[in-house]
Amino acid sequence: DIQMTQSPSTLSASVGDRVSITCRASQSISSWLAWYQQKPGKAPKLLIYKASNLQSGVPSRFSGSGSGTEFTLTINNLQPDDFATYYCQQYNSYSLFGGGTKVEIK
Amino acid sequence: QVQLVESGGGVVQPGRSLRLSCTASGFTFSTYGMHWVRQAPGKGLEWVAVISYDGTDKYYVDSVKGRFTISRDNSKNTLYLQMNSLRAGDTAVYYCTKDYGDYVFDAFDIWGHGTMVTVSS
Repeated sequence: DIQMTQSPSTLSASVGDRVSITCRASQSISSWLAWYQQKPGKAPKLLIYKASNLQSGVPSRFSGSGSGTEFTLTINNLQPDDFATYYCQQYNSYSLFGGGTKVEIK
Repeated sequence: QVQLVESGGGVVQPGRSLRLSCTASGFTFSTYGMHWVRQAPGKGLEWVAVISYDGTDKYYVDSVKGRFTISRDNSKNTLYLQMNSLRAGDTAVYYCTKDYGDYVFDAFDIWGHGTMVTVSS
């Protein structure tokens, strides 16, 4: 079974910062990876699909990169609305989410 | 607008059953695979089950195999999750979600608001 390891689990940052979140797969998943943002009490929101494709309506400060086993979500110029929890998801073999990264205000 | 609305959650005793429903609108329901994803209180997201656009293919996470059944009625634009032999560990918010594209396993572009299931005596 594929395992997804997301790091860090918590990230403290300030408005305007550039932050990066990493997701590692235990075996190659090609580019079958998505990133989601979730705020408390709300459903997740798709940000990035197929590793680097920006979902319609998502601000361009969000970007995704990687392939194979290592992937990165980068948020440039962090905005107050971006403080949330972020999850990666592999869909190469069934579907599995990473453990999540909470981006909090420093 | 494109929307998924779940219903059927509640408090249920261990060992009992519950059926969740998810009604879709704003898109051609019968052409997309549909999933259930759950989130235990204070925990991360866990994929539960998927059904293909026509209902012929179904897959489950190991922890619910043999207890949960996913189904759909394309004439009613509705997705279901029949949950039997419920356990305390099934306590979670259950989200209905839609495949982004043509594959059975894909990114999830539309999510419902979720329905809470609490398994407790």
